[in-house]
Amino acid sequence: EPEVTQTPSHQVTQMGQEVILRCVPISNHLYFYWYRQILGQKVEFLVSFYNNEISEKSEIFDDQFSVERPDGSNFTLKIRSTKLEDSAMYFCASRGLLAGGIEQYFGPGTRLTVT
Amino acid sequence: GQQLNQSPQSMFIQEGEDVSMNCTSSSIFNTWLWYKQDPGEGPVLLIALYKAGELTSNGRLTAQFGITRKDSFLNISASIPSDVGIYFCAGQVFSGSARQLTFGSGTQLTVLP
Repeated sequence: EPEVTQTPSHQVTQMGQEVILRCVPISNHLYFYWYRQILGQKVEFLVSFYNNEISEKSEIFDDQFSVERPDGSNFTLKIRSTKLEDSAMYFCASRGLLAGGIEQYFGPGTRLTVT
Repeated sequence: GQQLNQSPQSMFIQEGEDVSMNCTSSSIFNTWLWYKQDPGEGPVLLIALYKAGELTSNGRLTAQFGITRKDSFLNISASIPSDVGIYFCAGQVFSGSARQLTFGSGTQLTVLP
């Protein structure tokens, strides 16, 4: 069964450093998302991406964040200068057009720890 | 932004018992989805609800989309140990193509042997 994959599973970085989180969405999906989950809290929307551009972003997704689909399979989230409060689980999700186009499938996540 | 109130926050039940949890909102959602999350893993889709009043089952799980489009519930029948985890409701609004999910705060389910 197709699934969303994410790398790395855990990333430790120092404050101020840049990080890139990688995702491979389900192959025939067209809509891609990044969400984050701070430890013990609910999942929060960051950004959605369709047709090679951002379609929606939350107030969390400020100028320090960017997304890219550098090739036909990868979808990346870059944090330019990490802050302590960026420590969280980051989930990639994708959505296709089948089943009414509402079902989003999540990857296993990348745990980002900023020290 | 839109808020989802999910209750209860946590539940401790005996194996074999039925479970019910729900989500409410002050605003309307076009669809509701229910996810389960195990520790350190991503949310796994359990049930998707497409229209108001819909009642959908997936094995021992049953979910309903409220008529007002402001609420949804999830029932688990005859709970087993592997049902342990955090259950999240999530709503979608069809404004534009993004259809991002707004998540509830989760219900932590513990199943006692």
